[in-house]
Amino acid sequence: NAGVTQTPKFRVLKTGQSMTLLCAQDMNHEYMYWYRQDPGMGLRLIHYSVGEGTTAKGEVPDGYNVSRLKKQNFLLGLESAAPSQTSVYFCASSYASNQPQHFGDGTRLSIL
Amino acid sequence: DAKTTQPPSMDCAEGRAANLPCNHSTISGNEYVYWYRQIHSQGPQYIIHGLKNNETNEMASLIITEDRKSSTLILPHATLRDTAVYYCIVRVFPLLTFGKGTLLTVNP
Repeated sequence: NAGVTQTPKFRVLKTGQSMTLLCAQDMNHEYMYWYRQDPGMGLRLIHYSVGEGTTAKGEVPDGYNVSRLKKQNFLLGLESAAPSQTSVYFCASSYASNQPQHFGDGTRLSIL
Repeated sequence: DAKTTQPPSMDCAEGRAANLPCNHSTISGNEYVYWYRQIHSQGPQYIIHGLKNNETNEMASLIITEDRKSSTLILPHATLRDTAVYYCIVRVFPLLTFGKGTLLTVNP
């Protein structure tokens, strides 16, 4: 059982480039989330989804877009990467809003 | 604003019980207490959660005081692999706000 899988695990971008981070879960969870983790700041919620075809903003949504075209996938896009978006990105999923979130292993993104 | 307070670090001897405290004095009646841990910058790992009753699973036990203003996570027989940062979280959907947590170091 893979759980939550994030692709890629590492990436280096130049300022202004775009990219998409993929999150896939095989637990048939309705809810999915994207977080970023920066040193000394804990995890911060970027965007989340409460079901296929739905997305909503979290605490720090600026500079990111998301899509949930399929229930099992949640994509995080950076249209024009900035050095401030250098971070570790975690995806999570949960069965319901008050159920535990299960996390992937993260994507380490550096923007030069 | 942080809703929980945890000690920044704790030590525990291997094989002994680790008791991690958390204060959440402003918790509301319908808010759950969640515990997660993070090992070596891996993805956070869910441990246990509860509302007002004590809870136990294969990983740990959660003791919540009657007034719900504090709780304790108990790892009954700590191993070296339990060395991690432990986060106590009072959750308000959709946020799962991770504070600084407690760095638990399990020593041989």
